Amino acid sequence: DTGVSQDPRHKITKRGQNVTFRCDPISEHNRLYWYRQTLGQGPEFLTYFQNEAQLEKSRLLSDRFSAERPKGSFSTLEIQRTEQGDSAMYLCASSLGQGKLTDTQYFGPGTRLTVL
Amino acid sequence: KQEVTQIPAALSVPEGENLVLNCSFTDSAIYNLQWFRQDPGKGLTSLLLIQSSQREQTSGRLNASLDKSSGRSTLYIAASQPGDSATYLCAVLLVKYSGAGSYQLTFGKGTKLSVIP
Repeated sequence: DTGVSQDPRHKITKRGQNVTFRCDPISEHNRLYWYRQTLGQGPEFLTYFQNEAQLEKSRLLSDRFSAERPKGSFSTLEIQRTEQGDSAMYLCASSLGQGKLTDTQYFGPGTRLTVL
Repeated sequence: KQEVTQIPAALSVPEGENLVLNCSFTDSAIYNLQWFRQDPGKGLTSLLLIQSSQREQTSGRLNASLDKSSGRSTLYIAASQPGDSATYLCAVLLVKYSGAGSYQLTFGKGTKLSVIP
């Protein structure tokens, strides 16, 4: 257990529904990252936050995806109008985030999304 | 676009053997390189992080090397144990310029390691 928690661990939804995932980072960590991982592939970077500011968004993050970190603590990732191609493991990570982008990221267990 | 390749895709060795996992990347202007371990259905655990200015890092039975000029890194595992069985992922970070698109973290597909007792 790295100290990063994600909820829910599993989510099954029907195509077209909206889903929201939550990530609670390690308490003193300033940076929070979201990744998506499909079967047999490495994780793909989606976005990251420095405190409450969203500093980077991948091109993978379409308009149907939105992420927030309102108070610089927990974060939510929402997917609107889900599609079957959204089925994946969504991973959250956090890092201390002081200074350069050199610090170790600690990953949560992930949320597995299945879109029927 | 950065591409990260890991060879082999899968590896099975008897307990006690030393082994090497390989990672190659196409853009050598990396900021750092990390090796992660992933157990089935779980998140990632960082094993070693090598800054672009470093050539290797060691942690216990693990040693990772980095050759930026050739775009290669290796992860050496000494005296393998069944508990080492997992998928090992290599990830490279590019930080090219400020503003959008500055943070590019690219993972390989991983090497699935099985250590047989």
